[in-house]
Amino acid sequence: AQTVTQSQPEMSVQEAETVTLSCTYDTSESDYYLFWYKQPPSRQMILVIRQEAYKQQNATENRFSVNFQKAAKSFSLKISDSQLGDAAMYFCSNFGNEKLTFGTGTRLTIIP
Amino acid sequence: DAGVIQSPRHEVTEMGQEVTLRCKPISGHNSLFWYRQTMMRGLELLIYFNNNVPIDDSGMPEDRFSAKMPNASFSTLKIQPSEPRDSAVYFCASSSKSLTQGNQFLETQYFGPGTRLLVL
Repeated sequence: AQTVTQSQPEMSVQEAETVTLSCTYDTSESDYYLFWYKQPPSRQMILVIRQEAYKQQNATENRFSVNFQKAAKSFSLKISDSQLGDAAMYFCSNFGNEKLTFGTGTRLTIIP
Repeated sequence: DAGVIQSPRHEVTEMGQEVTLRCKPISGHNSLFWYRQTMMRGLELLIYFNNNVPIDDSGMPEDRFSAKMPNASFSTLKIQPSEPRDSAVYFCASSSKSLTQGNQFLETQYFGPGTRLLVL
């Protein structure tokens, strides 16, 4: 079975500081993709970053980067220089064997 | 707990046919979401309900799409008539709210396994 676990229901960070959101997953697939989605109060899902499992290099998108530990099946999201607009729910997901699985989300609050 | 249940898991149909996707949320959850996932547009919110009432359907692509939630334990997403561009994976999610130690409501969203739709 394919599972994704986000063990932090909520996190908060001071504006301009750095925060890391945790995600662990389990899969029997050797070829898969990992994603972080952001869901603001509008409820729309915004793709933040993706990582191909076969790539050792950690993906980076501006202030967003991941720490991908394949052996540990860990895929954490680091947000640097946090901004008020980063406040949202963040979902980690795993796509493998044509199946997409989501974690239950982490709510991130930015403290001005 | 069985989690969010979606049916069918796979659907193949011909253009012009009516398609009905079903979702059973987790018991006790009062919010339900329908999402569509495609390679081109990623994950899109189509509509969500709160206490069986549609709150925001601005993501519904066009009049061919309709969603209902007749009771707290069942929702449908209907496409009539279906078109090839509707081919996607459709996810249903339900959520519950809990009170944190800081007296704030925290919503936890649980996704179903999805329905893979192919319109030929």
